Amino acid sequence: QVELVESGGGVVQPGRSLRLSCAVSGFSSSEYGMHWVRQAPGKGLEWVAVISDDGNIKYYGDSVKGRFTISRDIPKNTLYLQMNSLRVEDTAVYYCARFSWADTFDLWGQGTMVTVSS
Amino acid sequence: IVLTQSPGTLSLSPGERATLSCRASQSVSSNYLVWYQQKPGQAPKLLIRGPSGRATGIPDRFSGSGSGTDFTLTISRLEPEDFAVYYCQQYGSSPYTFGQGTKLEIK
Repeated sequence: QVELVESGGGVVQPGRSLRLSCAVSGFSSSEYGMHWVRQAPGKGLEWVAVISDDGNIKYYGDSVKGRFTISRDIPKNTLYLQMNSLRVEDTAVYYCARFSWADTFDLWGQGTMVTVSS
Repeated sequence: IVLTQSPGTLSLSPGERATLSCRASQSVSSNYLVWYQQKPGQAPKLLIRGPSGRATGIPDRFSGSGSGTDFTLTISRLEPEDFAVYYCQQYGSSPYTFGQGTKLEIK
């Protein structure tokens, strides 16, 4: 079954760290670009980060640059988002999505909620 | 690239035609723009890619058009299940920004 399943969300204090995971099933994540997108409660979508299919290119949104790191474990077929120095404004549902030039962003996970609060 | 969607809210009745706009602050490289539909509590669903190709399984009442800085999503005859929030996103240059969304509500 082709799917993405995010995990690792929860409640964390400002300034702390959290690592999100996106388990990939039914295909190899190394054959696709993989993205993280977030959505604050009641707000629109915000693009967070991407890792290219070969892993050599990583880009980040301005609001997370220098604090978040995207990575993948190919044997585990899992995508990660390491989030450091978390802020209240990082509170959101975090989605992972796969990308290909043929089909673009055709597969999304169900999301994992991150709440940053003291 | 800043994407501005209009209108913010669109109130229409089933059977009517919906026209949603997405305007970019600068030309979108190779017209790399997609449209999504999102319903409450759900992940975004890809509708249109690049900027006029329907994604797999998307009904032909959905169509996309445009180039450069101006893009349009058209829903020819609204069905009850089409009332949702719609987003455009450009993937021509990082950061791969989204528009702020258009809420399509039942009149």
